[in-house]
Amino acid sequence: GAVVSQHPSWVICKSGTSVKIECRSLDFQATTMFWYRQFPKQSLMLMATSNEGSKATYEQGVEKDKFLINHASLTLSTLTVTSAHPEDSSFYICSARDAAGSYEQYFGPGTRLTVT
Amino acid sequence: DAKTTQPPSMDCAEGRAANLPCNHSTISGNEYVYWYRQIHSQGPQYIIHGLKNNETNEMASLIITEDRKSSTLILPHATLRDTAVYYCIAHSGGSNYKLTFGKGTLLTVNP
Repeated sequence: GAVVSQHPSWVICKSGTSVKIECRSLDFQATTMFWYRQFPKQSLMLMATSNEGSKATYEQGVEKDKFLINHASLTLSTLTVTSAHPEDSSFYICSARDAAGSYEQYFGPGTRLTVT
Repeated sequence: DAKTTQPPSMDCAEGRAANLPCNHSTISGNEYVYWYRQIHSQGPQYIIHGLKNNETNEMASLIITEDRKSSTLILPHATLRDTAVYYCIAHSGGSNYKLTFGKGTLLTVNP
């Protein structure tokens, strides 16, 4: 089946620094990738939609200058959390949509970000 | 997307069938019913989807009522590893679709 990977799986950073999370589709091409955030005991919240070669579309309330998304190839999207603060600590999950035919979405394993 | 309603939690004994209900009374004719699950601290995993007919795969069965206003996900022989939050989502899909999640049902499989 289609596999999506994320790197790193967990990261701890200091307040004020930036962190980059990578999302890769390993065995299919993904013209569209999605970034979600999940706080403890809550459901996934869609942050942004990333289309290859164009600017990301952010959901209401998500700061585009804080959460920088780059989707430079059909298999890689990155999320950079800039000037991270403790309230950005969360579980970040990406998903990728298979461009060929079914438009199914496949999810990565998630990245646990802790900002100290 | 049609609104879906699921119980917040359910329990099931290991080895027994787990039947997870979902109400989607406002579902439209072109909307599929999708089920995903999320094991703690992992990304969501696709389980099954259907439009009108009942569906079965290696993971589960999906029973959709004739009026399509509700469905049931069946895990025939639940194991401890099936403990997870299960999400029922109704959507029509397509190239512009954005998958959004409700609160789901926390299924706890007990030994």
